[in-house]
Amino acid sequence: AQTVTQSQPEMSVQEAETVTLSCTYDTSENNYYLFWYKQPPSRQMILVIRQEAYKQQNATENRFSVNFQKAAKSFSLKISDSQLGDTAMYFCAFMKHLAQKLVFGQGTRLTINP
Amino acid sequence: DTAVSQTPKYLVTQMGNDKSIKCEQNLGHDTMYWYKQDSKKFLKIMFSYNNKELIINETVPNRFSPKSPDKAHLNLHINSLELGDSAVYFCASSQQRSWDTEAFFGQGTRLTVV
Repeated sequence: AQTVTQSQPEMSVQEAETVTLSCTYDTSENNYYLFWYKQPPSRQMILVIRQEAYKQQNATENRFSVNFQKAAKSFSLKISDSQLGDTAMYFCAFMKHLAQKLVFGQGTRLTINP
Repeated sequence: DTAVSQTPKYLVTQMGNDKSIKCEQNLGHDTMYWYKQDSKKFLKIMFSYNNKELIINETVPNRFSPKSPDKAHLNLHINSLELGDSAVYFCASSQQRSWDTEAFFGQGTRLTVV
């Protein structure tokens, strides 16, 4: 069974700083996807960024980028120029190709301070 | 237009009662899910349906019975509610058989059993 581990329960940075959230996973699969979801206080789950395992290039979405290390089974999220609106829980998630479920990490509570 | 909508957003009920949560998606997706988020924010799959067929049942008690009348709807009925059922329940949908897969979540239903 796949497992996802987020080792940082909480993080806090100042506005405009760069922050990196860690995620490691365990799987014997070769074809899979990795995701970072954001859950602000509104409770809505919002997809931040997605990485396909077969792609070597790291995914980027504006201020959000990932460092995908397939051999190390590591998938960290970097947020550049952090903004107050980035304050949220962040969840790393794994999905095997054609599987019909996401496996989530425990989450990291990120606070951006003014 | 809300892509995945759940009703109600909040539900407070007494132990022993039976309640339902409804979910509808207008994305044309073929797969729908129920996830449970506990008090520690941990998210775990409960059920997934593909084209109205149950695909995943993650050892959820029999008191929980999902029903999918069509591809766009997946409802969750809970019998004999217990205190431990208090959680946030998320409905989600995605399109399988695609490399461009992404799960879209509803806004969640906060269930409180008293």
